[in-house]
Parts: sequence; structure tokens; C-alpha cells
Amino acid sequence: EIVLTQSPGTLSLSPGERATLSCRASQSVSGGRLAWHQQRPGQAPRLLIYSTSSRATGIPDRFSGSGSGTDFSLTISRLEPEDFAVYYCQHYDRPPLAFGGGTKVEI
Amino acid sequence: QVQLVQSGAEVKKPGASVKVSCKASGYTFTGNYIHWLRQAPGQGFEYMGWIDPNSGGTMYMQNFQGRVTMTRDTSISTAYMELSSLTSDDTAVYYCARFPSALDVPPNWGQGTLVTVSS
Repeated sequence: EIVLTQSPGTLSLSPGERATLSCRASQSVSGGRLAWHQQRPGQAPRLLIYSTSSRATGIPDRFSGSGSGTDFSLTISRLEPEDFAVYYCQHYDRPPLAFGGGTKVEI
Repeated sequence: QVQLVQSGAEVKKPGASVKVSCKASGYTFTGNYIHWLRQAPGQGFEYMGWIDPNSGGTMYMQNFQGRVTMTRDTSISTAYMELSSLTSDDTAVYYCARFPSALDVPPNWGQGTLVTVSS
């Protein structure tokens, strides 16, 4: 099974700065079947990105995804106050699907 | 709009069982899978498995085999997840999520149900 490792564990930044989050897979994720979710404190997750780089409905264009094979990243171009949250990557290449351990973006 | 509304928080004693419901609205219940995940306090997600509301078919992760049962009632567009032989390690927020298929991404999540196991 594919294991996803996210880094860094915590990212300390200020509003307006750029955030780059990493997700590394233990095996190649074919077809770019990699997604990103955002979870704000006390809330359910929200789908941000699917198929490596496609934004979900209603997601602002400051969020972008890239990568291939085993290395993927999520970039937030200019952090807004509501972007401070935990971000999880998820693969859906083959069963079982799995999530990474998360990266917390904090002020 | 699509909504998944879960049942309320539960407190259970070790050895007991818990049954969490997930009521779907805003889409064709039998046209999508319901997956279940859990999140222990301060932790990431642990994937539990799925149910196909159309056929009733299920897939359970090995960690939960023999302890979890996923069912559905199509007449009320509701999925259920029952976990038995609870221990303190089962204390977590349990989420249902709508997936278009068995292997996909969830565009919609339930609000989560906190299950606390304590003597």
C-alpha cells in the first residue's frame, strides 16, 4: 500500500506570505491521483485540489497543486487569515486509499 | 446542496458498541459511495472503509475487520457505521464522506461525530 509522508509538520508564516507544503509517496502515484484537503480547527475537512492540480468548486486561485510520481506539493501564493489550518494530502491511485499525516500552517 | 448530517456525540464504556448515522441529502444516495474515516484527538485520519448504498457491498480495512459493520437504509438515505468491542483507543471523531466511487476523492464530508470511550 502507498504511504504518504507530509513535510514540514508545522509551517509558521505570516499573512501575505507564500506557503509550500510537500507530500511524498512511498510508491509512484499513477495518473496524478493525488488530492489535498484543508481542515480548520473544529471543522470537517474540505476538498481543495484533486488530480494533483485541479481546484475543487469554489476554491480560490491562490491555491495550486503540482507534482508527479512520488513528489507532490501544495502552494498557497498569499496567505489569508482563513488559510491558517491543517492540510492533508490523499492518494486514490489504488486500494487502500490513504491520507498523509498533515501539515499545520500557523501564524 | 449536498449535505451529510451525522448523529450526535456518544459516550460509551469499554466493551460496548456504538452506531453512528449519516443522513444524506441533495444528491442521489444510491449513486455514490459512503466512506468512513476517524480522527483521534490531535491526530490525522485513519481510513475505515466504505459502503456502496446501491448494492450494500462493503469494504473494511484490516484494522477494523470483525469489529466494524457498515449498513444503509435507502428509504431514508442514511448510512450507518457500527463499531463493537470499544476501547479507549477508539476515542475519536468519526466522519462519513461522499465519494463518487470506491477509489476517489470526497467532495463532501459529514460534520463528524465524537465518540468517547471511558469507564
